[in-house]
Order: sequence, then C-alpha cells, then structure tokens
Amino acid sequence: AQTVTQSQPEMSVQEAETVTLSCTYDTSESDYYLFWYKQPPSRQMILVIRQEAYKQQNATENRFSVNFQKAAKSFSLKISDSQLGDAAMYFCAYRRYNDMRFGAGTRLTVKP
Amino acid sequence: KAGVTQTPRYLIKTRGQQVTLSCSPISGHRSVSWYQQTPGQGLQFLFEYFSETQRNKGNFPGRFSGRQFSNSRSEMNVSTLELGDSALYLCASSLGHVSGGAYNEQFFGPGTRLTVL
Repeated sequence: AQTVTQSQPEMSVQEAETVTLSCTYDTSESDYYLFWYKQPPSRQMILVIRQEAYKQQNATENRFSVNFQKAAKSFSLKISDSQLGDAAMYFCAYRRYNDMRFGAGTRLTVKP
Repeated sequence: KAGVTQTPRYLIKTRGQQVTLSCSPISGHRSVSWYQQTPGQGLQFLFEYFSETQRNKGNFPGRFSGRQFSNSRSEMNVSTLELGDSALYLCASSLGHVSGGAYNEQFFGPGTRLTVL
C-alpha cells in the first residue's frame, strides 16, 4: 500500500526566513502525482503546489517550491520569505488515479 | 464560481444515532470524495463518487455509506454513531475524468465538524 510520511509534526520559522518541510512516500508505481496542501486554522484546505512524477523539473509556485527526488521517494516543500499567513497545517499527499493518500501533516508556526 | 459547500458546518449527536452530511461540489465537477480528519489518525479517505457511482472506497466499516445524486451533490451517512466518529468530515470535488494517469485537482469544502457525545 502507498503510504505518505511527514516526519516533522511541528516546525517553526522566523518571518522572512526559509523553511523546508519533509515528506517521503512509498510506491511501486512510476506514474503518480504529489501535492502539498495547506490548511489554515479553521479554514479550508487549499492546494499549494503539485508535482507530476514523470517530470524531472521541480515545481515552483511563487515563494513555494519542491525538491522532488523520485528515486529516493522524497518530496519536500520549501517556503521562502515566510509570511505570517503561511502559518497552517501542511499536508503532503500522493495520488494515482482514484487512490489518494495524505501524510499526517506538519504544523508550521511563523514567528514575527 | 461558487466553491464546495458542506452542510451543516457543525453537528452534535449522541452515541447510537445516525447522521447525514451533505456536500455540493463546484458546478461542473462530477467527482466527490469524502475524508475523515482526526487529530490522531489524520486525513483518511472514505470514498469517492463519480457520476452517481462509488468509484473508490477506503477502509471504513459499513456504518459509513454515501451516495451521489444526478446533480453531483453527495451525501454521507454514518449509522450507529460511536464516540470515535467525532471528526471533521471533508468533502472534495473535482472534474473527475481520470485516464492514463491524468490528474484532476481536488477542491475542498470547509468541512462538517461532528461531535458524538
């Protein structure tokens, strides 16, 4: 079974600094998608960034970028120039066709 | 375009009762997935419906069931509630067409927080 592991239950970062959230996953498949979702306190979950497994180039969305290491089955999220609004739970997720699995989440605190 | 809506937003029930939660997807989306979110277990997939058919199912007991209507709205039902069913129930909608590994982004609703006393 595919599993997604986020080894950091909590992380904190100083405003304007950079932080990296870790995610590893287990799969025997070669085609799949990986995602990072953000869930602010009492607010809806939103997609931050996605990565197609067949693409070697790391995805980037403004201040958010990923380091996708397919062979190592690693998918980390880097947040640059952290802002107070980045404080949230971050979930790493794996999807292949109709099978979607989430990691346990990392709670990110941003210190002013 | 309106987002995913879920009703009710909060619900309090007692053990043994049953509950029905509703999810209205984004217009044009034909797939609705349900997730249970708890502090201890995190986000767990319940089931997915596409064009009124259950397309995928997670590892939950038969007390958890769902359905989808012709307008893509979906309901989830939990019978004989247990204390452990207290959770945030999220639904997510997507276009739903999946072929050759193609991907459809899921859009999440605000969730229904169920408390079982």
